[in-house]
Amino acid sequence: GAVVSQHPSWVICKSGTSVKIECRSLDFQATTMFWYRQFPKQSLMLMATSNEGSKATYEQGVEKDKFLINHASLTLSTLTVTSAHPEDSSFYICSAQWPGEGNQPQHFGDGTRLSIL
Amino acid sequence: AQKITQTQPGMFVQEKEAVTLDCTYDTSDQSYGLFWYKQPSSGEMIFLIYQGSYDEQNATEGRYSLNFQKARKSANLVISASQLGDSAMYFCAMRGNQAGTALIFGKGTTLSVSS
Repeated sequence: GAVVSQHPSWVICKSGTSVKIECRSLDFQATTMFWYRQFPKQSLMLMATSNEGSKATYEQGVEKDKFLINHASLTLSTLTVTSAHPEDSSFYICSAQWPGEGNQPQHFGDGTRLSIL
Repeated sequence: AQKITQTQPGMFVQEKEAVTLDCTYDTSDQSYGLFWYKQPSSGEMIFLIYQGSYDEQNATEGRYSLNFQKARKSANLVISASQLGDSAMYFCAMRGNQAGTALIFGKGTTLSVSS
C-alpha cells in the first residue's frame, strides 16, 4: 500500500489563487521530505528539501516566496503555491525517505496536477 | 555535483523480449546509491530496483536487473520478458548516502511495449 499520501490529486483554479498541497508519510516519521516539479514528458526537478521544524532548503532558481514549504510535523509537509499564474501549471510530487540507511528508496506521493487558468 | 545521463528518449520492444535502458552517472562521492523508478502515464513513481556503490553483485528484483559497471559509471536496467504493462517512463536516479539527501533524476526513457 501507499506509504506517502499526497492531496489533492488535481487542482484547477484561477490565476492569482494560492494553492496548498499536502504530503503525508503514512506509518513512518519523515524528518525530511522533498518536493519535485515535473513538466510534461520531462524529468523530475528538485524544488526544495523540507526539514521538520526548520526552514526548507530551496534549489537554485526556485522562488521561496512563491513556493512556501512548511514541515510542521514528522508526518506532514505542505507546499503552497502563492498567487499562482499559468506558468506555475505543472505536476508537483513529493517524496519521503524511509528511515534508515541511504540505500532506502524514496517513496513518492501520487502527485498533484495543477492547472492555472 | 551529481549527474545522471539517460541517452535514450524512447525505446520500443515486443512482448516477451528483453530490453536494456541505459544510464550513466557522474559523482565525486565514494558512497552512493543508484535507483530506477517507473512512471506510468498516471504519474505515480514506482520504485523498481536499487544498487549500492559498494555492492559487488548486480541487483535483481524479479524481471528487473541492474547491470552495474562501476568503472564505466553505468547502471543499466534490464527488463526481461517485457509485458504490455511495462510501457511507461523509466527514470534512473542517484543519491549520496548521507541522510536527508535528495534523489537526482535523469531525463528518462519512454518504453513502449507492443504485442
